[in-house]
Amino acid sequence: AQSVAQPEDQVNVAEGNPLTVKCTYSVSGNPYLFWYVQYPNRGLQFLLKYITGDNLVKGSYGFEAEFNKSQTSFHLKKPSALVSDSALYFCAVRDTTGANNLFFGTGTRLTVIP
Amino acid sequence: DAGVIQSPRHEVTEMGQEVTLRCKPISGHNSLFWYRQTMMRGLELLIYFNNNVPIDDSGMPEDRFSAKMPNASFSTLKIQPSEPRDSAVYFCASTLTSGGVNEQFFGPGTRLTVL
Repeated sequence: AQSVAQPEDQVNVAEGNPLTVKCTYSVSGNPYLFWYVQYPNRGLQFLLKYITGDNLVKGSYGFEAEFNKSQTSFHLKKPSALVSDSALYFCAVRDTTGANNLFFGTGTRLTVIP
Repeated sequence: DAGVIQSPRHEVTEMGQEVTLRCKPISGHNSLFWYRQTMMRGLELLIYFNNNVPIDDSGMPEDRFSAKMPNASFSTLKIQPSEPRDSAVYFCASTLTSGGVNEQFFGPGTRLTVL
């Protein structure tokens, strides 16, 4: 069965510092991995995805994520955090059986401190 | 494109009443998903459709919940009768299921409060 784990409920980082939001996954076969962001009272917005190829994936708003197969991780990163990056971040893995549904982690709340 | 459209944005109802949530997916998308989000349980997939056909409804909590997709541009999620524990934000999402791996696009959600 597919699953993702986001080990941190909350991450605090100072504005201008690099940020990392962690995600590990469990799948049988090759993973398709996604990051979404949710701002207050909004739906989830797609940030980036990994399908195959380069392990470093670049996405929206300066975010990137590194796929690490040996550690089964897909951590979200940004070199310099902005206060406006404060939001709830979700990692997700797609069903590898051929279906198109996503399995989401429990989310990590990122707070960027001015 | 207007994105995924959901209505109503907010719904307050009393226990025992019927609630109908509506979703219009992005034009051209052929897969539609209904999710529920609560503080306690996070984001849960309730049901999803491919080409208007329900594929997996194992996430539907119980028989009080039902979902339909009569055509490619409209879906409903109905709760009858509603209970206070159904209070949550309900999201609809759509995507194009093709040979590639495409992301889902989410609507703004419907915040349901059952008193």
